Amino acid sequence: KAGVTQTPRYLIKTRGQQVTLSCSPISGHRSVSWYQQTPGQGLQFLFEYFSETQRNKGNFPGRFSGRQFSNSRSEMNVSTLELGDSALYLCASSPVSGNQPQHFGDGTRLSIL
Amino acid sequence: DQQVKQNSPSLSVQEGRISILNCDYTNSMFDYFLWYKKYPAEGPTFLISISSIKDKNEDGRFTVFLNKSAKHLSLHIVPSQPGDSAVYFCAARGTLGDGGADGLTFGKGTHLIIQP
Repeated sequence: KAGVTQTPRYLIKTRGQQVTLSCSPISGHRSVSWYQQTPGQGLQFLFEYFSETQRNKGNFPGRFSGRQFSNSRSEMNVSTLELGDSALYLCASSPVSGNQPQHFGDGTRLSIL
Repeated sequence: DQQVKQNSPSLSVQEGRISILNCDYTNSMFDYFLWYKKYPAEGPTFLISISSIKDKNEDGRFTVFLNKSAKHLSLHIVPSQPGDSAVYFCAARGTLGDGGADGLTFGKGTHLIIQP
């Protein structure tokens, strides 16, 4: 069974640009969550999508947004990039939204110059 | 304010012995707890979880213990093997009013080193 797939694996952008990251969940999983990992703050929850609807959101500015498609694939967008957005962005999926394990992809490493 | 704390940044254990990783939490609304293992350049891998209605859950060499009154959980690995060397994250989540679950709140991780 294929795991969670994130593309691209690495990305370099400059300040002010925008970026879109993609996540394909495990087949049959309908919940997709996004996390940001930085050395200083650790792993922090960005948002969760279930059945194409945002279920909940972490404490991040509105520059961070996402969406989910009917096939459960999800995209995350960051606009007006700042140096502090340099991080590993991780996507996780689970069958439904609830108390079930989330399974993570290997992430997209975003570097802002 | 850190709601999930792993106070030991690193832990060294001899191969074959028991590894005990600890985690404390402050949010009494958390009702589901998980442990993940992470190798460099890979995403976290789910190990084991426990619901707040239980105080112990076992899966092979891994056992998680939950002490709700102390707001403390621990992961025991017996016996420890070289491949267990990795960073271990404790995570917790609460249930939302609509029955869904909140996002995972993670600790900062403990780097477990298994010595041959």
